[in-house]
Amino acid sequence: AQTVTQSQPEMSVQEAETVTLSCTYDTSESDYYLFWYKQPPSRQMILVIRQEAYKQQNATENRFSVNFQKAAKSFSLKISDSQLGDAAMYFCAYRSASFTGANSKLTFGKGITLSVRP
Amino acid sequence: DSGVTQTPKHLITATGQRVTLRCSPRSGDLSVYWYQQSLDQGLQFLIHYYNGEERAKGNILERFSAQQFPDLHSELNLSSLELGDSALYFCASSVGTVGEKLFFGSGTQLSVL
Repeated sequence: AQTVTQSQPEMSVQEAETVTLSCTYDTSESDYYLFWYKQPPSRQMILVIRQEAYKQQNATENRFSVNFQKAAKSFSLKISDSQLGDAAMYFCAYRSASFTGANSKLTFGKGITLSVRP
Repeated sequence: DSGVTQTPKHLITATGQRVTLRCSPRSGDLSVYWYQQSLDQGLQFLIHYYNGEERAKGNILERFSAQQFPDLHSELNLSSLELGDSALYFCASSVGTVGEKLFFGSGTQLSVL
């Protein structure tokens, strides 16, 4: 079974600075997808970014980018020019490329609470 | 707005009772997923339906059941409720293809007293 580990429960960043959130995962599969979701105080789960394992190029969405290291099974999220609205819990998630049975689900890490200092 | 609608937003009930949580997926989405979020367990996958059929089961208790109707909305039924069932229950939907994004509803906060 796949597992996702987010070992840092909390992080803090100064507004306008850059912060990196870490995530590691364990899988025996070669083809899969990785995601970062954001959960602000409103509780809504919001997709931040997605990475396909078969792509070497790191995904980027505006101020959000990832550092995907497939061999190391590492998937970190970098937030540039941090804003107050970035304060939230961030979840790393894994999904198999095999859309069969139990593989169809998203497996989440425990999450990291990010605070942004003004 | 993700386009996924969950009702009710809040539910307060007593132990031993039964409740039904409802989810309307985004227009065109065939897949519906249910997740439970609690402080100690994090986000736990419960069950996945695709076009009316159960696709996968996760850590779903026998006291819990779900179904997806012909109009693709889904309901999660929780019975014989216990204090430990208090949690935020999310529904997510997707088109139903490999690697696609899941879009989450705003959740139903269940409090069992």
